[in-house]
Amino acid sequence: AQKITQTQPGMFVQEKEAVTLDCTYDTSDQSYGLFWYKQPSSGEMIFLIYQGSYDEQNATEGRYSLNFQKARKSANLVISASQLGDSAMYFCAMRVVGGATNKLIFGTGTLLAVQP
Amino acid sequence: EAQVTQNPRYLITVTGKKLTVTCSQNMNHEYMSWYRQDPGLGLRQIYYSMNVEVTDKGDVPEGYKVSRKEKRNFPLILESPSPNQTSLYFCASSFGLAYYNEQFFGPGTRLTVL
Repeated sequence: AQKITQTQPGMFVQEKEAVTLDCTYDTSDQSYGLFWYKQPSSGEMIFLIYQGSYDEQNATEGRYSLNFQKARKSANLVISASQLGDSAMYFCAMRVVGGATNKLIFGTGTLLAVQP
Repeated sequence: EAQVTQNPRYLITVTGKKLTVTCSQNMNHEYMSWYRQDPGLGLRQIYYSMNVEVTDKGDVPEGYKVSRKEKRNFPLILESPSPNQTSLYFCASSFGLAYYNEQFFGPGTRLTVL
């Protein structure tokens, strides 16, 4: 079964520190994409970063990086130098090729609170 | 500006009163999808469409209908809403069906059914 697991319902981090949000995935497909989205309290889904299953290097986008460990089936999001504006819900998601619905499969999310 | 729009953003209604949530994208995307978000469950797909006049069920289609008569529009219809359909709804679109195609999300519609 295809599944995304986020085991941290909530996390705290001090401003300016780095934080890692965990994500593990399960799929038997060889071709898949992993996405992270940020959902602030206003509710919109903001795309942060993408990693393809064949990408050999970890993806980076500004202060966001994805620690991709294919053998462990993990795709952790690392936020460096946390800011107060990073307080939000974060979702890990997966899209597989050949899936019947081409949907994104989401985890249950991690609520991050950045403390001053 | 490339975007996915949804209307209304907020809606409070009563059981049984038919409603439609509109979704429109201006990126000429082929693929469109509806998700609902509930606490502790993440986002789950309701319906999707691979192109005009091509729609199919996702994981939680009961109580919903969709149509895709034009490429840009993908409305979600609740013919007889019930309280268990109280949720946050997202429309999303992507250029293609590949695993690397990012899905762009609308701003969400908060629906309360009393």
